[in-house]
Amino acid sequence: KAGVTQTPRYLIKTRGQQVTLSCSPISGHRSVSWYQQTPGQGLQFLFEYFSETQRNKGNFPGRFSGRQFSNSRSEMNVSTLELGDSALYLCASSLTAGVRGKNIQYFGAGTRLSVL
Amino acid sequence: AQKITQTQPGMFVQEKEAVTLDCTYDTSDQSYGLFWYKQPSSGEMIFLIYQGSYDEQNATEGRYSLNFQKARKSANLVISASQLGDSAMYFCAMRANSPNSGYSTLTFGKGTMLLVSP
Repeated sequence: KAGVTQTPRYLIKTRGQQVTLSCSPISGHRSVSWYQQTPGQGLQFLFEYFSETQRNKGNFPGRFSGRQFSNSRSEMNVSTLELGDSALYLCASSLTAGVRGKNIQYFGAGTRLSVL
Repeated sequence: AQKITQTQPGMFVQEKEAVTLDCTYDTSDQSYGLFWYKQPSSGEMIFLIYQGSYDEQNATEGRYSLNFQKARKSANLVISASQLGDSAMYFCAMRANSPNSGYSTLTFGKGTMLLVSP
């Protein structure tokens, strides 16, 4: 069974540009979550999608947005990039979005974004 | 507010020895899940072990076991017989309902860097 696939693995952008990251979840998983990881702030939750609906959103500005398609694949977009957006962006998928049961999030290898 | 605390920034252990990585959590929810993940230098987060708040027995997965003490709100990871490949960053995480949205989120600690020496 294929794992979570994130593309691209590496990105270099300049300030002011926008970027789109892609995530293909494990087959059968309907929930996709996104996280930003930086040395200073650690792992921070961005948003979670379930059945094409955003279920939850972290404390990030509106420049960060996402969507989920009918096949559960997800994209996140960052507009007007800032230097502080340089980070490892991790996507995770799980069967459901709830807290009950052994609802494990499986992560992809991440997209490393550098903003110059 | 939900919070995960990992007080050990780094740990050293010799190969074949056991090591315990500490994790304490805070939540007002009665139903929650506790997770440990391993992140090698490549960046991918690898799921290790899960413990549900209502599970009476401590979880075990091969060389990994979770020492769950609910009253103390601690969920320490024990790695037995350490191997060189265990050198990585280890994160404790909790999934509980967010008081603001009513939906659950996965909250991570700051992590513990484990170095296994020959």
